[in-house]
Amino acid sequence: AQTVTQSQPEMSVQEAETVTLSCTYDTSESDYYLFWYKQPPSRQMILVIRQEAYKQQNATENRFSVNFQKAAKSFSLKISDSQLGDAAMYFCAYRSAVGSARQLTFGSGTQLTVLP
Amino acid sequence: GAVVSQHPSWVICKSGTSVKIECRSLDFQATTMFWYRQFPKQSLMLMATSNEGSKATYEQGVEKDKFLINHASLTLSTLTVTSAHPEDSSFYICSAWTSGNNEQYFGPGTRLTVT
Repeated sequence: AQTVTQSQPEMSVQEAETVTLSCTYDTSESDYYLFWYKQPPSRQMILVIRQEAYKQQNATENRFSVNFQKAAKSFSLKISDSQLGDAAMYFCAYRSAVGSARQLTFGSGTQLTVLP
Repeated sequence: GAVVSQHPSWVICKSGTSVKIECRSLDFQATTMFWYRQFPKQSLMLMATSNEGSKATYEQGVEKDKFLINHASLTLSTLTVTSAHPEDSSFYICSAWTSGNNEQYFGPGTRLTVT
């Protein structure tokens, strides 16, 4: 079974600064997807960024980028120019690309605080 | 596009009663829907996977007789918590998967409080 580990329960960053959230995962599969989701106080899950394991290029979405290290099974999220609206719980998630399995396996989450 | 709604957003019920939560994909067809449970400051725990027209697949430790899931159409799945008890109080989130762009979309969640 796959596992996802987020070792930072809480992080804080000054507004306009850069912060990196860590995520490691364990799998024996070679083809899979990795995600970062944001859950603000409203508790609506919002997809931040997605990475396909077969792609070597790191995904980017505006101020959000990832550092995907497949051999190390590491998938960190970098938030640049942090904004107050970035404050939320961030979850790293794994999904197999094999067969019909579509379930997401979530990490325990990192609570990000943005300081004005 | 790709909006998922849940109803109700918050429900309070008395211990021993049953409560139904609806999850709808508003602008796409979802062959698969997922139900999660989330306790405060914790992660999402998958409860079950439902495919349209077939029985739900429950995760280990989830009581299928207590958490009844029905996925009667490609746009609607329901979760019924039967004989609810205070320990069932939690935040329940559904998500819907579409093959269109191989993506999973989340509903806004339902807060259940059992008194």
